[in-house]
Amino acid sequence: SAVISQKPSRDICQRGTSLTIQCQVDSQVTMMFWYRQQPGQSLTLIATANQGSEATYESGFVIDKFPISRPNLTFSTLTVSNMSPEDSSIYLCSVAAGWAMNTEAFFGQGTRLTVV
Amino acid sequence: AQSVSQHNHHVILSEAASLELGCNYSYGGTVNLFWYVQYPGQHLQLLLKYFSGDPLVKGIKGFEAEFIKSKFSFNLRKPSVQWSDTAEYFCAVNAVSGTYKYIFGTGTRLKVLA
Repeated sequence: SAVISQKPSRDICQRGTSLTIQCQVDSQVTMMFWYRQQPGQSLTLIATANQGSEATYESGFVIDKFPISRPNLTFSTLTVSNMSPEDSSIYLCSVAAGWAMNTEAFFGQGTRLTVV
Repeated sequence: AQSVSQHNHHVILSEAASLELGCNYSYGGTVNLFWYVQYPGQHLQLLLKYFSGDPLVKGIKGFEAEFIKSKFSFNLRKPSVQWSDTAEYFCAVNAVSGTYKYIFGTGTRLKVLA
């Protein structure tokens, strides 16, 4: 298993500003992902955070808006840039623990972002 | 590209009723399959998973799911629900090869009446 700590747990931000969300895992993991869960909706994958290289973004998400860093196997950041009220959501860091590919994804508590 | 569909968006049951939530996926290759649960105010937790072998898998809290490869389905079942099962349930898949990313269905909100 993996224990994920995300900071901040919640924030209220002004439109036009940026917020960086941190994700710390208690063990080295192969795969780290960032999801968005808008109110009453399912999880939408933003990107896969790749260690030592650029993140792999899903359709509809771009690096300029959601820059991601992953400097090592236990840590990643997601920045939500130039925020608008439409970015209000829960942002979730997720990991696939260990080195095996047949493993489940683990989730932290997420970051609840409100943009005003 | 992978996709997951859950047919029931909202389900209301009385306690002791049986539950079946549908999940279908779209992907041509081999997949791993999961059901997650999100209780109010809590983070996502794994209910059960299928990687290979017996297509009938049992998870926590009396839940089970059956993988039917020919139907691309992985339906979740529980013979007798409890009020504490009130939660949102998500089906998810990830491809065994390629990007390994986890794709989630739209979720089913279950309410169990006491």
